[in-house]
Amino acid sequence: AQSVTQLDSHVSVSEGTPVLLRCNYSSSYSPSLFWYVQHPNKGLQLLLKYTSAATLVKGINGFEAEFKKSETSFHLTKPSAHMSDAAEYFCVVIRMDSSYKLIFGSGTRLLVRP
Amino acid sequence: EAEVAQSPRYKITEKSQAVAFWCDPISGHATLYWYRQILGQGPELLVQFQDESVVDDSQLPKDRFSAERLKGVDSTLKIQPAELGDSAMYLCASSLIRDSPLHFGNGTRLTVT
Repeated sequence: AQSVTQLDSHVSVSEGTPVLLRCNYSSSYSPSLFWYVQHPNKGLQLLLKYTSAATLVKGINGFEAEFKKSETSFHLTKPSAHMSDAAEYFCVVIRMDSSYKLIFGSGTRLLVRP
Repeated sequence: EAEVAQSPRYKITEKSQAVAFWCDPISGHATLYWYRQILGQGPELLVQFQDESVVDDSQLPKDRFSAERLKGVDSTLKIQPAELGDSAMYLCASSLIRDSPLHFGNGTRLTVT
């Protein structure tokens, strides 16, 4: 069965410093992986997606993620945090069956200090 | 950019009462999803529609929850009777076809007292 584990429930960084949000996945075949962001009391917005075309995926707002099969990881990074990046981030794997089901991780809350 | 519309944004209800949420997906999107997000957790799929047909409702508590998408456009999720444990954010999402990215609405936050 497909699943994702987000290794940190909370991450705190200073504005202008790098961001690293960690995600490990479990899948019996080559997975499709996503990162979504959720600002307070808002819906979820797609940041980026990996579908086996390239291991380094660039997304919106300067975020990128690298798929590492050997480590079963799909960590999200950004070189320099901005105050507006403060939000909840979800790593997601697709379960490919008749329902095309998104399986969400438990989320990582990113706090950006001024 | 077109958005998924949900109403109401907030709902407070007493336990044992009935409550309903409405979702209008992006025009032309055939696939519609209802997710429940309990505070501090990731969203969990309740039901998925392809046009007007239910594709997956395996996680929907069918003794109290129902969902419909009669004309394959907008959708309603109902809870009757509501229980304290139903307090959560209810998110609707739609996609053009099954394998395309999901677009989420802003959700309905339900509080059951």
